[in-house]
Amino acid sequence: GNSVTQMEGPVTLSEEAFLTINCTYTATGYPSLFWYVQYPGEGLQLLLKATKADDKGSNKGFEATYRKETTSFHLEKGSVQVSDSAVYFCALRPQSQNFVFGPGTRLSVLP
Amino acid sequence: GAGVSQSPRYKVAKRGQDVALRCDPISGHVSLFWYQQALGQGPEFLTYFQNEAQLDKSGLPSDRFFAERPEGSVSTLKIQRTQQEDSAVYLCASSPQVDSSYEQYFGPGTRLTVT
Repeated sequence: GNSVTQMEGPVTLSEEAFLTINCTYTATGYPSLFWYVQYPGEGLQLLLKATKADDKGSNKGFEATYRKETTSFHLEKGSVQVSDSAVYFCALRPQSQNFVFGPGTRLSVLP
Repeated sequence: GAGVSQSPRYKVAKRGQDVALRCDPISGHVSLFWYQQALGQGPEFLTYFQNEAQLDKSGLPSDRFFAERPEGSVSTLKIQRTQQEDSAVYLCASSPQVDSSYEQYFGPGTRLTVT
């Protein structure tokens, strides 16, 4: 079946530190991959996406590359800010099927 | 334009009561999804509509859960004889196309508490 695994949280970093949140997946075919973010008190919103192998999604300084050979879609940011504190969800959508979400990783950035 | 809206935002039900949760998707969006999100977890798929057709209801946890989208726009998720384990945030999302490359847009959710 289809599944997403994310690194356990919470992740606590100091401002301007480098961030990596690991995400690996299992899926049939060629799914599209997404990172969603949930800020405190708000709904889920799309952060970035990639729809085929070797695509790189990027937004707000965050990046993730679709690696089919390692079935991964790790999220990175070179310098985090306090305002990046949120819960991050990795998700996949196989062709014409429903989305599958990971359990989420809580990030706390300290000033 | 307007995003996905859900009502009510909060619902408290006594065990055994029936509840109805409403979702207004973005106008023109073909696909509509319902998810259940337990505290500290990722959203779990419940059901999926393409226009008015319910194409996948494999995630509905029991026959107490029922969803409809009769005119291909507004959707209602109904839970009969609520149980404490039904307490969760229920999320609705819509997507403009069926193609898997399209993102989905989430509503704010309805927090259901069953006492």
